[in-house]
Amino acid sequence: QKEVEQNSGPLSVPEGAIASLNCTYSDRGSQSFFWYRQYSGKSPELIMFIYSNGDKEDGRFTAQLNKASQYVSLLIRDSQPSDSATYLCAVWDGGYQKVTFGTGTKLQVIP
Amino acid sequence: GAVVSQHPSWVICKSGTSVKIECRSLDFQATTMFWYRQFPKQSLMLMATSNEGSKATYEQGVEKDKFLINHASLTLSTLTVTSAHPEDSSFYICSARFFGLDQPQHFGDGTRLSIL
Repeated sequence: QKEVEQNSGPLSVPEGAIASLNCTYSDRGSQSFFWYRQYSGKSPELIMFIYSNGDKEDGRFTAQLNKASQYVSLLIRDSQPSDSATYLCAVWDGGYQKVTFGTGTKLQVIP
Repeated sequence: GAVVSQHPSWVICKSGTSVKIECRSLDFQATTMFWYRQFPKQSLMLMATSNEGSKATYEQGVEKDKFLINHASLTLSTLTVTSAHPEDSSFYICSARFFGLDQPQHFGDGTRLSIL
């Protein structure tokens, strides 16, 4: 069973700080990785995707991928209370042709 | 960007009723659509995967006669909850993706189903 692991949190950070969300995955052959944000009572929305080792930046968000260590992370700079949500890490499973989601990390940004 | 439209947003109905939920990809052809269910404060649970023109693949424990999925075209998939009961009350979310290694899944806004 291919797995995607996340700390459920909650992760609490003060407003303006950097929030760091981590995710590990079990399938060494995985090649596509996604981060989704889900507000309470809403459906997930795609924030970022990353395929290559290293960093990918988009505004206040940076995704980091390390395939050798099998982890992917999401950094949120200048965290805002509106960033408070559950963040889902997702990994594309080419064998089963579907995305495997982690259980999500709940982020709380304290004003 | 890609948009997935899901209708209806809310359904409240009596026990024993069948409910149909539609999922449409608006600006791309979705070769694969997914149906999820999420109970309050719990994780997304994949129910089934559907490919256009073929039978859906259901996850273990999901009753295919209870949750009928039709993926008639590259832009439309439907989920019918047959003879719904209160335990079927949940948040149902569809998702669609275009074929390709680097294509993410895009989610609809979800349907909140309440069975009385």
